[in-house]
Amino acid sequence: GNSVTQMEGPVTLSEEAFLTINCTYTATGYPSLFWYVQYPGEGLQLLLKATKADDKGSNKGFEATYRKETTSFHLEKGSVQVSDSAVYFCALNTNAGKSTFGDGTTLTVKP
Amino acid sequence: DVKVTQSSRYLVKRTGEKVFLECVQDMDHENMFWYRQDPGLGLRLIYFSYDVKMKEKGDIPEGYSVSREKKERFSLILESASTNQTSMYLCASSSPGAGGESFYGYTFGSGTRLTVV
Repeated sequence: GNSVTQMEGPVTLSEEAFLTINCTYTATGYPSLFWYVQYPGEGLQLLLKATKADDKGSNKGFEATYRKETTSFHLEKGSVQVSDSAVYFCALNTNAGKSTFGDGTTLTVKP
Repeated sequence: DVKVTQSSRYLVKRTGEKVFLECVQDMDHENMFWYRQDPGLGLRLIYFSYDVKMKEKGDIPEGYSVSREKKERFSLILESASTNQTSMYLCASSSPGAGGESFYGYTFGSGTRLTVV
C-alpha cells in the first residue's frame, strides 16, 4: 500500500534560518505529491504540489522537488519567518482519489 | 473564495449523546472526507464519499457513521459519543479521481474540536 514518512519533529529554528523537512514515500503507480500547512487552530491548507518526476512545486518561498529515484519530496525554505510556525504535512495521491498523509512535522520559528 | 465550512469550531457533548458534525462545500466537488486528528497520531481517515448517497469506510470507522444526501453536504454522526472520541475533526473535499494536472489537492475546513465529557 501507499505510505508517507516525514522527519520527526518538532523542529525549532531561529528567524532567517534555512529549513528542510524530509519526506519520503512508497506508492504503487505514479503519485502526485503535496505539502500542506496547518496553522494553529486551523484546518490544513495546500502549500504546494508536484505531479510528475523532476517537477518543482513552489509557493510563499517554499519549494519541493519530486525525486522519483529517491522517492522523496523534501520541503525547503531559504529564510524562515516567525509566521511560518505551523505543522507541515507531506501527502501523496494516486488514482484512487484518496490521499495518504504523513504524520506531520511541527515547526517553531523563534525571533 | 471557495471553501469548506464546518458548522461548529468547538463542541462539548455528554457521553452517550448522538452527535452530528456538519460539513458543506461550495466547489461542486464529488469527493468528501472526514478525518480525525490527535496528537502524535497524525490524520486518520474515518469515512469518505465519492458521490451522493455513497460512502466508504476509512481506517477507523468504528463508532461513526456518515450521511451524504446532497452533493455539497457530508455529515459525520457519532451514534453514542464516548470520551475516546474527543478529538479535532477535519472535513475535506476534492475534485474527482485521478492524479496528474487535473487534481488540485484537498480543500479542508477549519475543523471542529469536539470534547466528550
